[in-house]
Amino acid sequence: DAGVIQSPRHEVTEMGQEVTLRCKPISGHDYLFWYRQTMMRGLELLIYFNNNVPIDDSGMPEDRFSAKMPNASFSTLKIQPSEPRDSAVYFCASSFARTLEPQHFGDGTRLSIL
Amino acid sequence: RKEVEQDPGPFNVPEGATVAFNCTYSNSASQSFFWYRQDCRKEPKLLMSVYSSGNEDGRFTAQLNRASQYISLLIRDSKLSDSATYLCVVIAYNQGGKLIFGQGTELSVKP
Repeated sequence: DAGVIQSPRHEVTEMGQEVTLRCKPISGHDYLFWYRQTMMRGLELLIYFNNNVPIDDSGMPEDRFSAKMPNASFSTLKIQPSEPRDSAVYFCASSFARTLEPQHFGDGTRLSIL
Repeated sequence: RKEVEQDPGPFNVPEGATVAFNCTYSNSASQSFFWYRQDCRKEPKLLMSVYSSGNEDGRFTAQLNRASQYISLLIRDSKLSDSATYLCVVIAYNQGGKLIFGQGTELSVKP
């Protein structure tokens, strides 16, 4: 079975550019999560969706960040404009029943903003 | 105070050693608990759930003490392949059921 698929695996771009991260959850999972991981702050939940609807975006750092889930098999996380402090690994995860099933993570996108 | 706290380590142990990781959580409404493992530059993966009665999976034993709001992970007969970062994870349903991750404890098993 295919797991959570994220793209790109690596992204290096200059500050001020728009960055779009993509995620395809496991088929049948109805929850999708975006996380960010840095050495300083560890793993932080940014936003999560249930049945394509954003439920909690309190972890989104600021207005430069936005996330969408237009259908059950695709989500994007955008940063516009990007800043060097956005450099991190961004993970997408999905689960079937959030409160009971542990989440399945994608391989992550390693983002470097120069 | 962080909601989930772990000793960051690193723990450097020889092969065959027994090592224990501790984790404390601040939200008394926390109801589900897990240990995840994360290898360097990889995604977190579920290692085991933690049940109130304690549970064991091979060389790994997890314990929960609700009164003290404390979770532990014991690894016996450690292998080189156990080298990784171990993340304590808590779900608090009064916070919408979000997974709250600890900072992780780094383990390095040496030959």
